[in-house]
Amino acid sequence: GEDVEQSLFLSVREGDSSVINCTYTDSSSTYLYWYKQEPGAGLQLLTYIFSNMDMKQDQRLTVLLNKKDKHLSLRIADTQTGDSAIYFCAERGTNAGKSTFGDGTTLTVKP
Amino acid sequence: SAVISQKPSRDICQRGTSLTIQCQVDSQVTMMFWYRQQPGQSLTLIATANQGSEATYESGFVIDKFPISRPNLTFSTLTVSNMSPEDSSIYLCSVFSSGQPGYTFGSGTRLTVV
Repeated sequence: GEDVEQSLFLSVREGDSSVINCTYTDSSSTYLYWYKQEPGAGLQLLTYIFSNMDMKQDQRLTVLLNKKDKHLSLRIADTQTGDSAIYFCAERGTNAGKSTFGDGTTLTVKP
Repeated sequence: SAVISQKPSRDICQRGTSLTIQCQVDSQVTMMFWYRQQPGQSLTLIATANQGSEATYESGFVIDKFPISRPNLTFSTLTVSNMSPEDSSIYLCSVFSSGQPGYTFGSGTRLTVV
């Protein structure tokens, strides 16, 4: 079945850029997502990219998609302590409605 | 995007009992899902809640253990039956609406079985 993988931990200093990487296997993915989960909360859709795009920028967030390598990244510029959370990469294929999630990357931002 | 109210937010239950989790959406949605997030792990899809018919379960999940109802396009329940400590987890309701690119999640139900 489909698989999504991401590194488990990332630690950065406040003000630095953070880059979270993700690889996926489903070549029919239509949308790729980044979700943020803060402690004790549900998942919040942070941003997404359609599979025919290479890049999407939204304020401090930049999403890069390399469809050939099935690689997705999320760059957070000027990382703040409030960005500390778990970030999940997810993909949605042609199987309507079903998504596959990665294991999540725990981002720790140190002051 | 849709706003989801999920209840209860947390509960501590005795083994062998059952807990029903409710998911109320402020608008009609095409698809509703139930996920489980075990401690320190990612999300695992339990089932797709179908309006007016039986839910579609993923491999490893069965209706007797996780009965699901979806009487209309804005409401669903998940019951965790005959609970054991292994059922301790966060259970999340999620919806997908046509016209929205991504999924909206409820705040989750943190279940502890003792």
